[in-house]
Amino acid sequence: GAGVSQSPRYKVAKRGQDVALRCDPISGHVSLFWYQQALGQGPEFLTYFQNEAQLDKSGLPSDRFFAERPEGSVSTLKIQRTQQEDSAVYLCASSGEGALSGRGYEQFFGPGTRLTVL
Amino acid sequence: QKEVEQDPGPLSVPEGAIVSLNCTYSNSAFQYFMWYRQYSRKGPELLMYTYSSGNKEDGRFTAQVDKSSKYISLFIRDSQPSDSATYLCAMSARSNYQLIWGAGTKLIIKP
Repeated sequence: GAGVSQSPRYKVAKRGQDVALRCDPISGHVSLFWYQQALGQGPEFLTYFQNEAQLDKSGLPSDRFFAERPEGSVSTLKIQRTQQEDSAVYLCASSGEGALSGRGYEQFFGPGTRLTVL
Repeated sequence: QKEVEQDPGPLSVPEGAIVSLNCTYSNSAFQYFMWYRQYSRKGPELLMYTYSSGNKEDGRFTAQVDKSSKYISLFIRDSQPSDSATYLCAMSARSNYQLIWGAGTKLIIKP
């Protein structure tokens, strides 16, 4: 496609439910990033994939958060046993450059999934 | 104290004015400096990036970096109502992809 797409755009979950958020990056993009953006704040880094390898997951806030990109294209962010503090917009970004090339900052973002945990 | 500070605004200016948006930072390792624009309910869109110190111009937009003062700016000339959005600064150290973001400044251009 022309850009990064994410689904669903909106998700309401009851506390304790598991959710799965999908990201379709720009075709051929090597790098994929997940960010969490709280209301009125800038995005916070969660995790990074280069192709199918998860090279950095240092930003994942707890072991309830899990991300995968099994074939090096589509990625899924899964949150188990959701809590109210997980309510945020989850952004996915992709980049045509490998991050260690030094140009990993050129990231293209999807519209985000707004997660509300009741 | 956050690594990157940005005034949240809102900043309201009349159409045609020159807009100045700023960020300060504390980490001297930052080498790459970016400005993103985010419309409501959309993802951030890269506007400008600058490596190290200096100026960069692209159309109506000019980015400035002053590493000695740990201060970066984005200037928008001949502002248009369509420029109304939240502007986020982001930074990273050399060869480090982890972007550290400001909280964003909400800009309103009044027709």
